[in-house]
Amino acid sequence: GQQLNQSPQSMFIQEGEDVSMNCTSSSIFNTWLWYKQEPGEGPVLLIALYKAGELTSNGRLTAQFGITRKDSFLNISASIPSDVGIYFCAGRPTSGGGADGLTFGKGTHLIIQP
Amino acid sequence: DAGVTQSPTHLIKTRGQQVTLRCSPISGHKSVSWYQQVLGQGPQFIFQYYEKEERGRGNFPDRFSARQFPNYSSELNVNALLLGDSALYLCASSLVGNQNYGYTFGSGTRLTVV
Repeated sequence: GQQLNQSPQSMFIQEGEDVSMNCTSSSIFNTWLWYKQEPGEGPVLLIALYKAGELTSNGRLTAQFGITRKDSFLNISASIPSDVGIYFCAGRPTSGGGADGLTFGKGTHLIIQP
Repeated sequence: DAGVTQSPTHLIKTRGQQVTLRCSPISGHKSVSWYQQVLGQGPQFIFQYYEKEERGRGNFPDRFSARQFPNYSSELNVNALLLGDSALYLCASSLVGNQNYGYTFGSGTRLTVV
């Protein structure tokens, strides 16, 4: 099935560093969502974006819906140990009349070194 | 309040068998979607149901079927299991059918086919 291009695949960072990850698609999306998944759990919604150019924050997390509607990024400032996990971008294509499911990226595995 | 609940949490099946997975959405949520997550990948959309009707279907074979009940709970059935069906099966619910409010995922059912 189709998947979004998410990068980087993994990140090894020091506690306190800022993190940036992004997602691109060849198709136009009308919704971008960012999820975090921890072992043994389902994805948890972090930020939802519904308009091109929209910039939204949730605590130390900031995400933007790209102007072209084909990309999005997620930034995490001042990382802490509990930020460890796999981050997924997900989007809904403009086709489908609202009935299409989400298309997910392959995830960015965030590892924080002490 | 209870989140999205899925049962069972784990199960092991033999090739060729049939399996039924169950999902109860968040109270008040009328839309349920099913996703398959293979190890190391992002979730892949299987089905969406809203108000007991199928509203979307991903690229999965006819061995996969689902239904939604009057209380908005849902079942996913997979017939003639293959080794490649081994995955985490995630159920997500949302308030409305067009998904513009994001999904809330359950913790999933880990299916192992041997």
